[in-house]
Amino acid sequence: NAGVTQTPKFRVLKTGQSMTLLCAQDMNHEYMYWYRQDPGMGLRLIHYSVGEGTTAKGEVPDGYNVSRLKKQNFLLGLESTAPSQTSVYFCASSLLTGKNSPLHFGNGTRLTVT
Amino acid sequence: GESVGLHLPTLSVQEGDNSIINCAYSNSASDYFIWYKQESGKGPQFIIDIRSNMDKRQGQRVTVLLNKTVKHLSLQIAATQPGDSAVYFCAENNPPGGYQKVTFGIGTKLQVIP
Repeated sequence: NAGVTQTPKFRVLKTGQSMTLLCAQDMNHEYMYWYRQDPGMGLRLIHYSVGEGTTAKGEVPDGYNVSRLKKQNFLLGLESTAPSQTSVYFCASSLLTGKNSPLHFGNGTRLTVT
Repeated sequence: GESVGLHLPTLSVQEGDNSIINCAYSNSASDYFIWYKQESGKGPQFIIDIRSNMDKRQGQRVTVLLNKTVKHLSLQIAATQPGDSAVYFCAENNPPGGYQKVTFGIGTKLQVIP
């Protein structure tokens, strides 16, 4: 039982390049989330999904897109990246709504945009 | 306790002593609270949660206290061990309705002195 797995662990991009962050969970959770973590700020929600085939915007969605084609996978796309997207990105999942149950996090993807 | 700023509040505790980490939450309508532990280079890990109809909940070596009157949450760790060194942050859910937003604090760094 691996929990939540994120790939890649690290990535360095040049401004304007694009990439996709992958997240997989093996707990059969309905809810999945993408957060970013920056120094001096709490985790901020980018996008989330309440089930296979659904996605919704979070607190800071601009510059990101997501897809949930399979229940166990949640992909975060960054097109034409900017230095402001330098951050640590965490994927999380929860059995019930995150407003009433704890989140299970992956170990993050550290992205640097130069 | 937690505060907004670039530098994390730090709590230094002698090994074997008890630790108390404080958190002031923002929304009086929040009814679910969670403490997470984040070790360096890893994702946040669920420790313990509490609902607003309780004022205390105990786990293994940890206790969470909730004071709704002053919107204050605390995490007590008994007999602190070197493995407890990490950043701890609290999270509160949003009031009913709206999107899946859970508000995270920026955290308190716990340093255990051997």
